[in-house]
Amino acid sequence: DAGVTQSPTHLIKTRGQHVTLRCSPISGHKSVSWYQQVLGQGPQFIFQYYEKEERGRGNFPDRFSARQFPNYSSELNVNALLLGDSALYLCASSLVGTDNEQFFGPGTRLTVL
Amino acid sequence: LAKTTQPISMDSYEGQEVNITCSHNNIATNDYITWYQQFPSQGPRFIIQGYKTKVTNEVASLFIPADRKSSTLSLPRVSLSDTAVYYCLASFTGGGNKLTFGTGTQLKVEL
Repeated sequence: DAGVTQSPTHLIKTRGQHVTLRCSPISGHKSVSWYQQVLGQGPQFIFQYYEKEERGRGNFPDRFSARQFPNYSSELNVNALLLGDSALYLCASSLVGTDNEQFFGPGTRLTVL
Repeated sequence: LAKTTQPISMDSYEGQEVNITCSHNNIATNDYITWYQQFPSQGPRFIIQGYKTKVTNEVASLFIPADRKSSTLSLPRVSLSDTAVYYCLASFTGGGNKLTFGTGTQLKVEL
């Protein structure tokens, strides 16, 4: 079975631009969460979606938004990119919306110049 | 959310048992202890989860004393491939998928 997939794997943007990151969960998983991981730190929670509804939001500015589609895939959008947005963006899926066992994808490495 | 404290780094040799201790003095009644492993440029991978006493699976054991203020992840007979960052989390099962990661423990295994 395929694991969580994310695209693209790497991305380079400049300040002020917009970016869209994509995630496909494990088949049958209905919950998708997004995390940001800055170098040297642990992942920080951004959003959780379950059954296409937002169920949780971390301490991130409104420049960050996300959505989940009927097939349970998800997009993370970041507007007006800042240098500090450079990070590894991780997507995780789980069967339901209350699992501590989450399955992470390989991440998208975003570099903002 | 309960704050967890774990060593920044640990060194070991192949074939040894490694024990990583995590402190969580303010753990809530509904919190479970969950450990994740992360290799460079990869997403974290779930290792083990427990509530009290001892849990064992094919890769690790988790020891949680009765007061639940700390826990110990035990990796038997480590190999070079166990070199990774290990995160201890105190997470409420049922409260959504918000996992709160700290800075983790960098385990380095040498020959």
